[in-house]
Amino acid sequence: GIQVEQSPPDLILQEGANSTLRCNFSDSVNNLQWFHQNPWGQLINLFYIPSGTKQNGRLSATTVATERYSLLYISSSQTTDSGVYFCAVLNNAGNMLTFGGGTRLMVKP
Amino acid sequence: NAGVTQTPKFQVLKTGQSMTLQCAQDMNHNSMYWYRQDPGMGLRLIYYSASEGTTDKGEVPNGYNVSRLNKREFSLRLESAAPSQTSVYFCASRKSGTAYEQYFGPGTRLTVT
Repeated sequence: GIQVEQSPPDLILQEGANSTLRCNFSDSVNNLQWFHQNPWGQLINLFYIPSGTKQNGRLSATTVATERYSLLYISSSQTTDSGVYFCAVLNNAGNMLTFGGGTRLMVKP
Repeated sequence: NAGVTQTPKFQVLKTGQSMTLQCAQDMNHNSMYWYRQDPGMGLRLIYYSASEGTTDKGEVPNGYNVSRLNKREFSLRLESAAPSQTSVYFCASRKSGTAYEQYFGPGTRLTVT
């Protein structure tokens, strides 16, 4: 099956700092999603981004499907950004979403 | 719209007991999914239903059964719970065809003692 690797596994930031999270995947995919899992366990959809670049406020994402990676940028981080960020890729059959291991982010005030 | 809802939110079972986790969506989506999340890990697919009347195994189906009751509802059953099934269970749905984005419910935290 598809392998999905995220880096770094853990990240500690001071409030206001910027960061880049990376997601590498082993095969061509139909779709890629980024999620934020907040400290209460809720999964929040951030981006649906099979290719190209999207921006939503302080967050943006870029997927380069031909090179099998995606990046999530967080600018001017806030304490509410803390939690775990997951990328997940959909196989070409369109029936299985495979998650990476996540990046655990802590933003300190 | 409530989106994807799950019941119960929390459950404690003894080894060997059975239970059914319920999931419903009000977005008129065709496909529905069950995932489990173990501590410190990403989610893994248990079963999915591409459309009403069909179900298929995912990555970790052993010990589980599913029922796609109608277009809105997709249930997950543990016939004889084991401590290895202690996990957080998420249900998800998506529209169909090339609308690939999946939407997740709030999760059910299950502990098997």
